[in-house]
Amino acid sequence: SQQGEEDPQALSIQEGENATMNCSYKTSINNLQWYRQNSGRGLVHLILIRSNEREKHSGRLRVTLDTSKKSSSLLITASRAADTASYFCATDHNAGNMLTFGGGTRLMVKP
Amino acid sequence: GAVVSQHPSRVICKSGTSVKIECRSLDFQATTMFWYRQFPKQSLMLMATSNEGSKATYEQGVEKDKFLINHASLTLSTLTVTSAHPEDSSFYICSAYRDLAYEQYFGPGTRLTVT
Repeated sequence: SQQGEEDPQALSIQEGENATMNCSYKTSINNLQWYRQNSGRGLVHLILIRSNEREKHSGRLRVTLDTSKKSSSLLITASRAADTASYFCATDHNAGNMLTFGGGTRLMVKP
Repeated sequence: GAVVSQHPSRVICKSGTSVKIECRSLDFQATTMFWYRQFPKQSLMLMATSNEGSKATYEQGVEKDKFLINHASLTLSTLTVTSAHPEDSSFYICSAYRDLAYEQYFGPGTRLTVT
């Protein structure tokens, strides 16, 4: 499966700052999902945004979706050291419920 | 919430041996499960789609005779790495698709090290 692209690949910020990660994809989607992965662990589902939605919030998370640009962004506000992890976007292209993952952004939040 | 387990969480085996990894959906039925492989500092790469009662569908470049997948029930899929080699060392993650939830639930992963 072909991956989308995420940028930046790595991001280092201070606690309290906001972190923004971007994801681009190539073909039309049903929905786009963001996942978090702590080092050496499984994936934790963060948020799902459908193709007919433009913005979604969940706690300190804000996700936007621009289907015309085939891109999405994940904003984490007021970051904490515990937010340090890798973040992946994944797109559902209505191909047998299969997800295509982006390359991921490694976020480090310094206390 | 929906839970997916994997067993074992870590395994070390010698080159040439076979290793079986189990993926279970604990509180829901999953007609479709997925197997991913993840190398260090890289993203997840889909290996195959496992459908209950039928043959798995493998992604291009994944050897079906090397990575045997069996989805024998609606709550269990197994991945067997046959004749493992050091280059098969990786983090293997399964996920189970919950119908109508439009969501995949991921297992915690299995770290395979082939010596």
